[in-house]
Amino acid sequence: EVQLVESGGGLVQPGGSLRLSCAASGFTFSSYEMNWVRQAPGKGLEWVSYISSSGSTIYYADSVKGRFTISRDNAKNSLYLQMNSLRAEDTAVYYCARVHMGDAFDIWGQGTMVTVSS
Amino acid sequence: QSALTQPASVSGSPGQSITISCTGTSSDVGGYNYVSWYQQHPGKAPKLMIYEVSNRPSGVPDRFSGSKSGNTASLTISGLQAEDEADYYCSSYTSSSTPYVFGTGTKVTVL
Repeated sequence: EVQLVESGGGLVQPGGSLRLSCAASGFTFSSYEMNWVRQAPGKGLEWVSYISSSGSTIYYADSVKGRFTISRDNAKNSLYLQMNSLRAEDTAVYYCARVHMGDAFDIWGQGTMVTVSS
Repeated sequence: QSALTQPASVSGSPGQSITISCTGTSSDVGGYNYVSWYQQHPGKAPKLMIYEVSNRPSGVPDRFSGSKSGNTASLTISGLQAEDEADYYCSSYTSSSTPYVFGTGTKVTVL
């Protein structure tokens, strides 16, 4: 079964750090571009970051640039998001999503909740 | 990169057809045939319903169809069913400094 499973979310104080992980299974992870997408409580979807299949090309939303770092380990079939200098407005469910079918996000994880609060 | 514009809500009775619009610019929706649509039920992850403007992934009912004209893409749900009540988001590839943008989201209510 093709599957993405996120982990690493939790409660963190403003200014703190957190590292999210996304474990992939059921497909050749190293062949696919991956993304992180977040959704604040009661709000819409917001694209956060992209990484190419090899990891050589990376993009970030302006709202997280300079604070978040996306990476991947194709040998471990895993995607990561290192989040530093966290702010209250980073509070959201974070999803990892696979890119396929013409730049569409065809597979999504179940999401992991990040809460930034003192 | 600003979010694509969608109506906040659309409603219809069972069996009716509804259409959700998604308006962008020539740098995103109008410039590429990489528009996709997602369905999201409360507390669940989004699900891909349409890709490349009008293509349906395997398993998506043919009641769902997509189209595009200029800078506006549309998702039509024909023969509306109770289980179609959900939030719907469009997305597009963009030529801006960030490769993807989502729409503002539309809540579909089945009356």
